[in-house]
Amino acid sequence: TQLLEQSPQFLSIQEGENLTVYCNSSSVFSSLQWYRQEPGEGPVLLVTVVTGGEVKKLKRLTFQFGDARKDSSLHITAAQPGDTGLYLCLGEDDYKLSFGAGTTVTVRA
Amino acid sequence: NAGVTQTPKFQVLKTGQSMTLQCAQDMNHNSMYWYRQDPGMGLRLIYYSASEGTTDKGEVPNGYNVSRLNKREFSLRLESAAPSQTSVYFCASRYLTRDQLETQYFGPGTRLLVL
Repeated sequence: TQLLEQSPQFLSIQEGENLTVYCNSSSVFSSLQWYRQEPGEGPVLLVTVVTGGEVKKLKRLTFQFGDARKDSSLHITAAQPGDTGLYLCLGEDDYKLSFGAGTTVTVRA
Repeated sequence: NAGVTQTPKFQVLKTGQSMTLQCAQDMNHNSMYWYRQDPGMGLRLIYYSASEGTTDKGEVPNGYNVSRLNKREFSLRLESAAPSQTSVYFCASRYLTRDQLETQYFGPGTRLLVL
């Protein structure tokens, strides 16, 4: 069983639309990271959040860490085809690392 | 600065054969990790090494062994490959930024098929 549940598993949207990906757990994490992975490559770090309630913005991407540090969301505004990829969340607590299963995002031109 | 490199990129093995996956990083990071990625399951941690000379089991260590040869290199060995070990294997190194944020760099992966 996955310690971190990601939803939805797949998301297909039109260019210009907004989307939100969720990462939920019953466990508390000291930090949570979001990665994007493209086919045939390794994951690339987008952001790390460590404080409950923290919101970080990276251009059109907004990341939020839940107050209780058990969940997180990734929101993309005005999605572009270049945002297509597998989005993964990684929770960490004292060297214990747990990845979610990932959300495959497809942005159609 | 090559980051994290992995060899080989692809490998086909027969059941029962052995092989070692190599990983090296040139960023002077203390911690290194081995993951496997299977469809619909994200990445699962096999083994990690918090520092040179130490290794610890992750979520799915059975059937694997590791060696932290020095600070740069962390290898993963399959002593007797099984079809269930068909997967994509990723090595990563990790460090703490000046802002005290954990950051992992991943290699490009090794695609392994066990027949």
